[in-house]
Amino acid sequence: DTAVSQTPKYLVTQMGNDKSIKCEQNLGHDTMYWYKQDSKKFLKIMFSYNNKELIINETVPNRFSPKSPDKAHLNLHINSLELGDSAVYFCASTQSLTGWNTGELFFGEGSRLTVL
Amino acid sequence: AQSVTQLGSHVSVSEGALVLLRCNYSSSVPPYLFWYVQYPNQGLQLLLKYTTGATLVKGINGFEAEFKKSETSFHLTKPSAHMSDAAEYFCAVSRFSSGSARQLTFGSGTQLTVLP
Repeated sequence: DTAVSQTPKYLVTQMGNDKSIKCEQNLGHDTMYWYKQDSKKFLKIMFSYNNKELIINETVPNRFSPKSPDKAHLNLHINSLELGDSAVYFCASTQSLTGWNTGELFFGEGSRLTVL
Repeated sequence: AQSVTQLGSHVSVSEGALVLLRCNYSSSVPPYLFWYVQYPNQGLQLLLKYTTGATLVKGINGFEAEFKKSETSFHLTKPSAHMSDAAEYFCAVSRFSSGSARQLTFGSGTQLTVLP
């Protein structure tokens, strides 16, 4: 009964292709995130949604487009993939921002994207 | 602005020896601090967190960390390393971003190797 689940776990594709990663959480959280982890393990926040509203949008190429159909789901679509997009993408969630919240994140297992 | 610095990207200890992973933070307000662990090919898992109250925080798997405001540190320790502790460890600080949204900023990570 996974709390934050991502699909697919592995993704291998050619440069120029378009791909999507999906994330779902069953924790009842209102806020979800996408993080990118590069080959040196550095974690960088990309986007955050609170109750389907985009609240954090870091400096990310326009080729990356997040979508949140409801507060339990967050997807990431990437157009025209480039070699530098190869990384592990993590979805995470946190409880409601309307109450006291430490910011503790609950992570999915990651989606490893390899662009050839 | 809040940030964290992890001293030592790689730490090696012998099995049974003390584990000490260093983390220093900078924060203009009282911080919330976290340690996460990432095992190979997995997502990040919370080890422990400090929000308020007792400065010595105990976490899972025998780890603990002490918040020292005077030293702006939150070092992670474990008295006796086990082979299963080999993983990447991340220190993080929570800050407000975009109004009420809290955002975790991660350190660059420390790879812990446990030698037999």
